[in-house]
Amino acid sequence: DQQVKQNSPSLSVQEGRISILNCDYTNSMFDYFLWYKKYPAEGPTFLISISSIKDKNEDGRFTVFLNKSAKHLSLHIVPSQPGDSAVYFCAASANAGGTSYGKLTFGQGTILTVHP
Amino acid sequence: NAGVMQNPRHLVRRRGQEARLRCSPMKGHSHVYWYRQLPEEGLKFMVYLQKENIIDESGMPKERFSAEFPKEGPSILRIQQVVRGDSAAYFCASSFFFWGLLTSDEQFFGPGTRLTVL
Repeated sequence: DQQVKQNSPSLSVQEGRISILNCDYTNSMFDYFLWYKKYPAEGPTFLISISSIKDKNEDGRFTVFLNKSAKHLSLHIVPSQPGDSAVYFCAASANAGGTSYGKLTFGQGTILTVHP
Repeated sequence: NAGVMQNPRHLVRRRGQEARLRCSPMKGHSHVYWYRQLPEEGLKFMVYLQKENIIDESGMPKERFSAEFPKEGPSILRIQQVVRGDSAAYFCASSFFFWGLLTSDEQFFGPGTRLTVL
């Protein structure tokens, strides 16, 4: 039962253009969403997060959008740079009673390649 | 300020042997999570521990797997009698938990231990 899905295994973008990575979820209890970036042979690195009380969060070149009614979130990277080439995972967690167990449910990942 | 440390980085075991994976959380972090990544898949939650307590082990296989986070020392993920299907990357993450604050969800990951079972 894949509760978080990233339906695009890979994405190829030209340097300077926008990269849009998508993520869908099925569990309506999820109320906190995160994006992680991962290079080969390394652990995931936190990029940006968004709470379900917001629909947009921005941090430099990275913006995450959340559409709760569609159970969909996306990560926009503008402008894309070759150093952004990595695997991107979206993850979600469900707060329980105002606290968080921190248990993350991950998507399968999208391989982003940014060409110079 | 060291990040999350895991050792060994690579571990090779023969079928039937035991594997011990260690994780030292970031300084000041008292919450540890273990995830497993099988080839071509995303990370799957295994267990969530606080010091001396297992809080959520819903992702742990029922047999052969155990985890602990003692008062002193690193967290240990132990796999007894390993099988080829245990070959995967095992990641540990830690977080600093403030009761009721959403920032508790930011988890910092270690570099992982790549287990290969021959």
